[in-house]
Amino acid sequence: GAVVSQHPSWVICKSGTSVKIECRSLDFQATTMFWYRQFPKQSLMLMATSNEGSKATYEQGVEKDKFLINHASLTLSTLTVTSAHPEDSSFYICSESKGPYEQYFGPGTRLTVT
Amino acid sequence: GENVEQHPSTLSVQEGDSAVIKCTYSDSASNYFPWYKQELGKRPQLIIDIRSNVGEKKDQRIAVTLNKTAKHFSLHITETQPEDSAVYFCAASISGNQFYFGTGTSLTVIP
Repeated sequence: GAVVSQHPSWVICKSGTSVKIECRSLDFQATTMFWYRQFPKQSLMLMATSNEGSKATYEQGVEKDKFLINHASLTLSTLTVTSAHPEDSSFYICSESKGPYEQYFGPGTRLTVT
Repeated sequence: GENVEQHPSTLSVQEGDSAVIKCTYSDSASNYFPWYKQELGKRPQLIIDIRSNVGEKKDQRIAVTLNKTAKHFSLHITETQPEDSAVYFCAASISGNQFYFGTGTSLTVIP
């Protein structure tokens, strides 16, 4: 298997502020990283795909200026939720890929915007 | 993009009985179909997967079947146990890259 960590595991922020979530692969180099969001009792919705050193590819309907993704290295990707609003409250999960067919999920970050 | 539908949304079975969860997908180019188990507040865990060159795959009490013509695949859990209670997600992918998930099935195994 492979180990993927996320930080923080939970965060509460005020409306209008920005929050950064980190996703790290601890024991492998990830060629590709994915970000998902999951509302309570709902499915994982793919937000974007990022490859190291290049711009992220966002899924239709996901605002790239609001959800900033930086894939700085083969072991670190960050998601910044800018100008957060209560409707952005969700469970954000990253996954990292060693190659096709191999995705390893992080433990998730619960974001609550008050 | 790919659209994955999953049924049922909730499923209750008696311990020892079988559980079946069904998914359909829309993109005929999808060729990889993993199944994940997610416990509350935790990360999804891969339990079984199947590629399009195979019609069925089994791992102990878990099996998955795939009908490419109908764009339909199913998860079968036999001899269910209380610890099987969780939310199960199917997903479809083209060549194992982006995963598009179904809507989830909350399985409850009643002791």
